[in-house]
Amino acid sequence: DTAVSQTPKYLVTQMGNDKSIKCEQNLGHDTMYWYKQDSKKFLKIMFSYNNKELIINETVPNRFSPKSPDKAHLNLHINSLELGDSAVYFCASSLGQVLDSPLHFGNGTRLTVT
Amino acid sequence: KQEVTQIPAALSVPEGENLVLNCSFTDSAIYNLQWFRQDPGKGLTSLLLIQSSQREQTSGRLNASLDKSSGRSTLYIAASQPGDSATYLCAVRQRYGGATNKLIFGTGTLLAVQP
Repeated sequence: DTAVSQTPKYLVTQMGNDKSIKCEQNLGHDTMYWYKQDSKKFLKIMFSYNNKELIINETVPNRFSPKSPDKAHLNLHINSLELGDSAVYFCASSLGQVLDSPLHFGNGTRLTVT
Repeated sequence: KQEVTQIPAALSVPEGENLVLNCSFTDSAIYNLQWFRQDPGKGLTSLLLIQSSQREQTSGRLNASLDKSSGRSTLYIAASQPGDSATYLCAVRQRYGGATNKLIFGTGTLLAVQP
């Protein structure tokens, strides 16, 4: 009955590879997010989709491409991985852009690029 | 540009103590402020959300206050327990553009409650 689930939990890969992280939520939310948490535990938003439409796109290299096939899924594809991409990536969801709708987070995907 | 800072970065207290975590933000034009808890290897759990028009919110042993004009919020934890050990993050919600808004997170406080 996990609310926001992302896979895989751990991902170890070499520089230059392409990888994807998947996220699914069963809360009936229509807005989903990808956050990156660096080694200093600082969380920063990368993307947000509302009803499959991109609404937030922070300054992120175009090697990162989110895809939302439906409002319950938001996947993150990363091309040509670099050492600096190593971080924990969190998926989250909320009820639209309702201001007092709290975000629900997945457990994170720890990406290590060697 | 909004900057959210949390002090202290780390805190260790004996079990049973009351404690206060601090969060400050530079731009007072926020919709609300949210406190989260993050356990190792886990995602974030929402603890309390305070609207910009509110002064405080309470949930069990937790009390969060907000002083928007001075750009400050505190999270008060009463009678701390070892199970409270985690990283605590505050986040402000503000306008991104058009009708869109986003959360901006603070730097976090790592709390250790010693049994």
